[in-house]
Amino acid sequence: DGGITQSPKYLFRKEGQNVTLSCEQNLNHDAMYWYRQDPGQGLRLIYYSQIVNDFQKGDIAEGYSVSREKKESFPLTVTSAQKNPTAFYLCASMVLAGGGRTGELFFGEGSRLTVL
Amino acid sequence: GQSLEQPSEVTAVEGAIVQINCTYQTSGFYGLSWYQQHDGGAPTFLSYNALDGLEETGRFSSFLSRSDSYGYLLLQELQMKDSASYFCAVRDSNYQLIWGAGTKLIIKP
Repeated sequence: DGGITQSPKYLFRKEGQNVTLSCEQNLNHDAMYWYRQDPGQGLRLIYYSQIVNDFQKGDIAEGYSVSREKKESFPLTVTSAQKNPTAFYLCASMVLAGGGRTGELFFGEGSRLTVL
Repeated sequence: GQSLEQPSEVTAVEGAIVQINCTYQTSGFYGLSWYQQHDGGAPTFLSYNALDGLEETGRFSSFLSRSDSYGYLLLQELQMKDSASYFCAVRDSNYQLIWGAGTKLIIKP
């Protein structure tokens, strides 16, 4: 079955450490997204990519970095510059125009990062 | 600025009907989506309206009025499993979604 796989599901980090969250999709979607969600809040966009080797900053990109070397993969690195990284991180993908229901995001199960 | 407004919490009784409203103010509009999120889980897609009118999918319906910048999600025959947070989101011309803060739906037996 096609879908989005995020790993790890839970991650603990010490202050000052960089961590990388993995996101892989086999849906053949062009667009991929990273969101952050804090308790009781909505989703805030960190980065998104519509094509390999290209990505754009979202609303809260500071302290984060991404790469898109393959269509299937969009890893997110939470750097030590991110002041408050404890959150629920969600990776998603979408079909761009030409197929599927535009406006439908497919989500991974999320990665919950806790800074100790 | 861009914003979506939806109630923070709605309470309803099992078996009843509930409507969750969403008003938006965005620089571009290509459609309104609704997502459901259970505690600890990821959002799942419910519906997408690009044109005015009502879209029905089983017990859930979604409505859009572009002239009023308004939409709603209608849930019928409420079940306890419908207890979740519901988010509206506007898709802009760049395939980004702008999200509301979410409505927590509490269902009482």
